[in-house]
Amino acid sequence: DTGVSQDPRHKITKRGQNVTFRCDPISEHNRLYWYRQTLGQGPEFLTYFQNEAQLEKSRLLSDRFSAERPKGSFSTLEIQRTEQGDSAMYLCASSLNQGETQYFGPGTRLLVL
Amino acid sequence: AQSVTQPDIHITVSEGASLELRCNYSYGATPYLFWYVQSPGQGLQLLLKYFSGDTLVQGIKGFEAEFKRSQSSFNLRKPSVHWSDAAEYFCAVVGDSNYQLIWGAGTKLIIKP
Repeated sequence: DTGVSQDPRHKITKRGQNVTFRCDPISEHNRLYWYRQTLGQGPEFLTYFQNEAQLEKSRLLSDRFSAERPKGSFSTLEIQRTEQGDSAMYLCASSLNQGETQYFGPGTRLLVL
Repeated sequence: AQSVTQPDIHITVSEGASLELRCNYSYGATPYLFWYVQSPGQGLQLLLKYFSGDTLVQGIKGFEAEFKRSQSSFNLRKPSVHWSDAAEYFCAVVGDSNYQLIWGAGTKLIIKP
C-alpha cells in the first residue's frame, strides 16, 4: 500500500496562469475526492469520482476548475486563469467504496501571486 | 444540513497531561464520525472512526473517542500527551449524500514542555 500521492507538492504561479495538479489514489480504491483547505479552516469538498465518472461538484468549483479521472485511476485538477483567491492547499483522498474511510494525500499547496 | 463544530481553536497542555478535544455534530441519522490529525506540511492522517457498535473507539497513537448521541458529541481524548502530538486535529462527519466529509474548523494542539 503506497498511499495516496499528489504532485506537485508546491506550486507558485502568477495570476491568470493555468495550473494542473495530479493525484494518484490507492490502487484498488474506486472513489477519489478533491478538497480545498485554506489557512485555519477545515477542508472543503470540491468534487468526487466513482471510477471514471465525476458524480458531484460543489458550488465552490467554478467554471475555471475542471477535474478528470480518465481511466478510473489517477485524477487531475486544472484551474484556468488562476486568481489570488485560489491560493490554498488542494487535497486528494481515496476510498474503497462509498461511505468508507477516506485516505488523504499530502496535498498540493498553491500560491497565486 | 450537517455541520461539525470544534469549539476550541487552540488548546495548550503540558507534556504528560491528559487531553480532551471537543467535537459536536449536527446530523439527523446515526453519523459516521472521524478524527484526523494534520502535522505541519503533512497530509491528513486518520486517528480513529466511529461507524456503529461500541461507542468508545480506540485509535492510533493512544487516542480514543467516545460517541455520545444524547450530546451529539464525539470528543477525542488521550491520557498523556507527548510533544510529538502537537498538530492540528479535525473532526469530520460523512454527509447525507454519503460521499463527502464535512469538517470542523480544527483545533490546534500546543504542547508545553
